[in-house]
Amino acid sequence: AQKVTQAQTEISVVEKEDVTLDCVYETRDTTYYLFWYKQPPSGELVFLIRRNSFDEQNEISGRYSWNFQKSTSSFNFTITASQVVDSAVYFCALSEQRTGANSKLTFGKGITLSVRP
Amino acid sequence: DAGVIQSPRHEVTEMGQEVTLRCKPISGHDYLFWYRQTMMRGLELLIYFNNNVPIDDSGMPEDRFSAKMPNASFSTLKIQPSEPRDSAVYFCASHRGGLAGVGQETQYFGPGTRLLVL
Repeated sequence: AQKVTQAQTEISVVEKEDVTLDCVYETRDTTYYLFWYKQPPSGELVFLIRRNSFDEQNEISGRYSWNFQKSTSSFNFTITASQVVDSAVYFCALSEQRTGANSKLTFGKGITLSVRP
Repeated sequence: DAGVIQSPRHEVTEMGQEVTLRCKPISGHDYLFWYRQTMMRGLELLIYFNNNVPIDDSGMPEDRFSAKMPNASFSTLKIQPSEPRDSAVYFCASHRGGLAGVGQETQYFGPGTRLLVL
């Protein structure tokens, strides 16, 4: 069975600090996909990134970067120079690719990030 | 293109009443998902459809919950009768079918319906 663990529940930082959100996953499949979603106070779920299990290259998008390490089953998310607008709940999620069969998106519990001015 | 549309955005009802939540997926998306978010259980998948057909409803809590997708652009989630423990945010999401399976595609979420059952 697939599982996503976000051990940190709440993180509070001061603006301009860097912050890393941890995500550890479990799966038996060799092909799987990892996602990060952001849920701001307004409540919607905003897609941030998708990664497949064959692509371990780290990705950078502006102040956001992701570190995917299969050896430790981790897919961590770093925000550089955090801003107040980054305050949100961040979810890591996993789906397995099973051709012709059911597949579910399993979410972690989420990390509440508060960025103080 | 418009995103996933859900209505109503907020619903307050009394225990025992019927509640119907509505969802319009992104045009061209042939997979539709219903999720529920609560503080206790987080985000959990209730049911999903492919080409209007329910594929996996193992997450539906009990017989009081039912979901339909009469056509490619509309789905409903109905709770009858509603109970206070059904209070949650209900999200609808959609994605287009991938070539090799369900899991590879990104799901795009609607704004959610915040349900309060008194």
